Amino acid sequence: GQNIDQPTEMTATEGAIVQINCTYQTSGFNGLFWYQQHAGEAPTFLSYNVLDGLEEKGRFSSFLSRSKGYSYLLLKELQMKDSASYLCAVTDSNYQLIWGAGTKLIIKP
Amino acid sequence: ETGVTQTPRHLVMGMTNKKSLKCEQHLGHNAMYWYKQSAKKPLELMFVYSLEERVENNSVPSRFSPECPNSSHLFLHLHTLQPEDSALYLCASSLQREASYEQYFGPGTRLTVT
Repeated sequence: GQNIDQPTEMTATEGAIVQINCTYQTSGFNGLFWYQQHAGEAPTFLSYNVLDGLEEKGRFSSFLSRSKGYSYLLLKELQMKDSASYLCAVTDSNYQLIWGAGTKLIIKP
Repeated sequence: ETGVTQTPRHLVMGMTNKKSLKCEQHLGHNAMYWYKQSAKKPLELMFVYSLEERVENNSVPSRFSPECPNSSHLFLHLHTLQPEDSALYLCASSLQREASYEQYFGPGTRLTVT
């Protein structure tokens, strides 16, 4: 079966760095997405990786290793507004998005 | 403003009621999606429409009936629902269905079935 694994919950301190991991087993691979979802709001797009390596976008970076079926989202200089759920999703060979259950990130002052 | 709107935002219905959820996208996208989101579970894809044609139905019970009258509007008709259908229902759109384009989500409808 197809599966996306990510930690259920993480806690970090304001101003620090946090890394949220995602591992996947899917039938084929056509890219990996990270979305952010604040409580009671819609998911919003953060990043997309289809090739191995690191993609940097401001305070957020996303890494992909296709051979390991592994990605991480790196958040630097954490702010209170970064408290949210972070969803990992993989596009399989049929271009269907397979979603993880999300990682709830709690930022403490 | 994500460009995808959903109404109503909250809905409480009995198991014998009939109601409809509405989604509208203002982005000129060709693909639209219905998702179910339950607490601590992955997003469940329910239906996919590409250019107003249903291309995917992931074994969703017949008490959920989608309708896509044009590329900007998507409906989810509900009838004789069960309490376990209580969830957040999200609509999304993307430029194309066949490629890895990001999806834009609406704010969702919080559905409670009593």
